[in-house]
Amino acid sequence: AQTVTQSQPEMSVQEAETVTLSCTYDTSESDYYLFWYKQPPSRQMILVIRQEAYKQQNATENRFSVNFQKAAKSFSLKISDSQLGDAAMYFCAYAGTETSGSRLTFGEGTQLTVNP
Amino acid sequence: GAGVSQSPRYKVAKRGQDVALRCDPISGHVSLFWYQQALGQGPEFLTYFQNEAQLDKSGLPSDRFFAERPEGSVSTLKIQRTQQEDSAVYLCASSLVTGWLNTEAFFGQGTRLTVV
Repeated sequence: AQTVTQSQPEMSVQEAETVTLSCTYDTSESDYYLFWYKQPPSRQMILVIRQEAYKQQNATENRFSVNFQKAAKSFSLKISDSQLGDAAMYFCAYAGTETSGSRLTFGEGTQLTVNP
Repeated sequence: GAGVSQSPRYKVAKRGQDVALRCDPISGHVSLFWYQQALGQGPEFLTYFQNEAQLDKSGLPSDRFFAERPEGSVSTLKIQRTQQEDSAVYLCASSLVTGWLNTEAFFGQGTRLTVV
């Protein structure tokens, strides 16, 4: 079974600074997808960034980028120039190929606080 | 609608009561997922539909949980004889096609169920 681990229950960052959220996963599949989702108090999960495992290049979306280390099964999220609106719960998630179903497997989450 | 709509937003049920939670996916979306999110935890997969077919219900915690999507659009998650451990946020997500290659999952704002 696939597992996703986020070892940082809480993180804080000063506005305009950079913060990195950690995520490790375990899988026996060779083809899969990794995601970072943001969940504000409204509870709606919002996709921040995704990475296809077969792509060697790290994904980037504006101020958000990932460091994908396939051999180490590590998938960290870097938020640059942090803004007050970035404060939320962040979840790392894994989705495998059809052989493992279409479900997303989520980590436990990291609560990010942005200090003004 | 423009997004995934869930109702009610909040539900308080007395122990032993039956509840029904509704999910209106984005129009035309083939895949529909239900997740259960306990307080302070990441969402956990419950069940998956492809159109009207329930292809995976391996995450349903007991036979008190039942989900349907009879016409391939609106879905209902029913919980019979609710118990305190059923208290959680129930999230619904939909995606345009199956698999993850060229699509993403869009989440609703969830239903917070409290069993007293």
